[in-house]
Amino acid sequence: QKEVEQDPGPLSVPEGAIVSLNCTYSNSAFQYFMWYRQYSRKGPELLMYTYSSGNKEDGRFTAQVDKSSKYISLFIRDSQPSDSATYLCATSVAGSSGSARQLTFGSGTQLTVLP
Amino acid sequence: NAGVTQTPKFQVLKTGQSMTLQCAQDMNHNSMYWYRQDPGMGLRLIYYSASEGTTDKGEVPNGYNVSRLNKREFSLRLESAAPSQTSVYFCASSERRRVAGETQYFGPGTRLLVL
Repeated sequence: QKEVEQDPGPLSVPEGAIVSLNCTYSNSAFQYFMWYRQYSRKGPELLMYTYSSGNKEDGRFTAQVDKSSKYISLFIRDSQPSDSATYLCATSVAGSSGSARQLTFGSGTQLTVLP
Repeated sequence: NAGVTQTPKFQVLKTGQSMTLQCAQDMNHNSMYWYRQDPGMGLRLIYYSASEGTTDKGEVPNGYNVSRLNKREFSLRLESAAPSQTSVYFCASSERRRVAGETQYFGPGTRLLVL
């Protein structure tokens, strides 16, 4: 079993829809949770990160972490065609100050927003 | 400010050939990483370097070697390429922080095909 599971999709929605992307994880030691966006033939770019449980909002994007159920979510409001990409969740444990932090990635969900 | 750059962008090798993938960052980051991305597998860490002069194995190090040449450059070498190493390779770098949250910045990737 992978440490981080993510539904690969593909997911196709009409413009303006609310999109919900989800991951589950198995390692209770994970403390940091991130969402990366990857456009076709490009490198991933960090979209949002959260520490421990709770919500974090940034414009049309909301990241949610529920550590009790080991569930990570990303919500996209008023989705746009420009949001079409692969979304990867990632987690890591708490490292010592200054140490490199290894990330464990989900396999990614491919999202298409239709105009 | 170019961020993370990788060369080459695309390479075709025959089984048994060797090659080195180059990565450089101009953000003065301490930590650098090499990942491979395969369909349905997400990003998997091959090797990482927490700081200049140190390297450590990640999840899938077999068949690879790395060199942290200086603070800017981190290379990945395939000594004897195998078809199983056909993948997209991403280099990333991150800054050292005392508090939670660490952004890894990714390069554009190198697409490698081993015949």
